[in-house]
Amino acid sequence: SQTIHQWPATLVQPVGSPLSLECTVEGTSNPNLYWYRQAAGRGLQLLFYSVGIGQISSEVPQNLSASRPQDRQFILSSKKLLLSDSGFYLCAWSVRGGYTFGSGTRLTVV
Amino acid sequence: DQQVKQNSPSLSVQEGRISILNCDYTNSMFDYFLWYKKYPAEGPTFLISISSIKDKNEDGRFTVFLNKSAKHLSLHIVPSQPGDSAVYFCAASAGNAGNMLTFGGGTRLMVKP
Repeated sequence: SQTIHQWPATLVQPVGSPLSLECTVEGTSNPNLYWYRQAAGRGLQLLFYSVGIGQISSEVPQNLSASRPQDRQFILSSKKLLLSDSGFYLCAWSVRGGYTFGSGTRLTVV
Repeated sequence: DQQVKQNSPSLSVQEGRISILNCDYTNSMFDYFLWYKKYPAEGPTFLISISSIKDKNEDGRFTVFLNKSAKHLSLHIVPSQPGDSAVYFCAASAGNAGNMLTFGGGTRLMVKP
């Protein structure tokens, strides 16, 4: 069966610290992968998407970056976190039609 | 420029009554529409979808209606239950955009016992 794993579930980081969120997919090959953020009281904002290894498209200029070192691995990073980076981060994958989302990471930057 | 809009940020409904969540879109290339349900601190889960070749799709208590001429879709939940309380996201995709979904801003549904 196809599953998606995202960790950690919660994270509290000080301003200026680095960030690394990881997402892995099982049971599928060559998926399209996505990182979304849901800021407090707001909708889902697409941050990055990837159609293959090493292929990253950025939708919103910001303090974050993404990498796809393996077919089923998608990483969201930052060198120096800002307060405005706080939010709920979601990884998702799609093969045909809709998405399957991970369980999300609640990031609080303090 | 929001291509998918959910103009009601919140909706409150009495248990047992009908909940109607609305969604409008502007991109005429969208041909597949989905609704996702999201509980706090969890990822969204797929609820129901509809292709542009249909105007209605029903799954148990959930029905999605599509009005292509008005570029409008709606999700009906009947009867509403307290467990339906969540944020609902409308999403759309275009056949020429691969699998990319465009999401609306979400509507928070509160079903009161």
